[in-house]
Amino acid sequence: EAQVTQNPRYLITVTGKKLTVTCSQNMNHEYMSWYRQDPGLGLRQIYYSMNVEVTDKGDVPEGYKVSRKEKRNFPLILESPSPNQTSLYFCASRPGQGNYNSPLHFGNGTRLTVT
Amino acid sequence: RKEVEQDPGPFNVPEGATVAFNCTYSNSASQSFFWYRQDCRKEPKLLMSVYSSGNEDGRFTAQLNRASQYISLLIRDSKLSDSATYLCVVNIEGNTGGFKTIFGAGTRLFVKA
Repeated sequence: EAQVTQNPRYLITVTGKKLTVTCSQNMNHEYMSWYRQDPGLGLRQIYYSMNVEVTDKGDVPEGYKVSRKEKRNFPLILESPSPNQTSLYFCASRPGQGNYNSPLHFGNGTRLTVT
Repeated sequence: RKEVEQDPGPFNVPEGATVAFNCTYSNSASQSFFWYRQDCRKEPKLLMSVYSSGNEDGRFTAQLNRASQYISLLIRDSKLSDSATYLCVVNIEGNTGGFKTIFGAGTRLFVKA
């Protein structure tokens, strides 16, 4: 089954404790992206990647890192989480940049709480 | 001004009603258009793509007006299960030949028995 898989689904952590949220897709998509969703603010892009070893900042990159060493994986790293990073996170992917009509496929989300 | 704007909602309608959602986009480099549905605390899921000629999928009809930079979604014969947030989504061509995906803030729909 074609899918985007995120882990973990739920995570509670403390301020400053490094964490990684994994994202993997099995559709051979070039483009992958991370979003956070907060009440009243909609989906905001954190980082995106157009292909292996190519990453770029989205609208709210502060406090986050990503890597794209392989096409299928795009982990989101919080080196020193803070309470304002408590949010619902989504990973998404789609085919490469020439495919304008391609919709994004989303993972089922990671709910992160930082105390 | 936001690049993609939707009706703020929420919309509260009885079962069987017809409801219309509107969306406007500001960037003329917009290439493709979608409606997504998002249930509470779950991931957005593609409802339908929107084509220039308009398209229909069962009770759902999507329209695009490029001249007015306007997209709509019509739901006929609303069901309780249609209760969700509906997101207007636009792919916009970027300066470097790629494109980015922009989300509207979403319109919440409540369908009541």
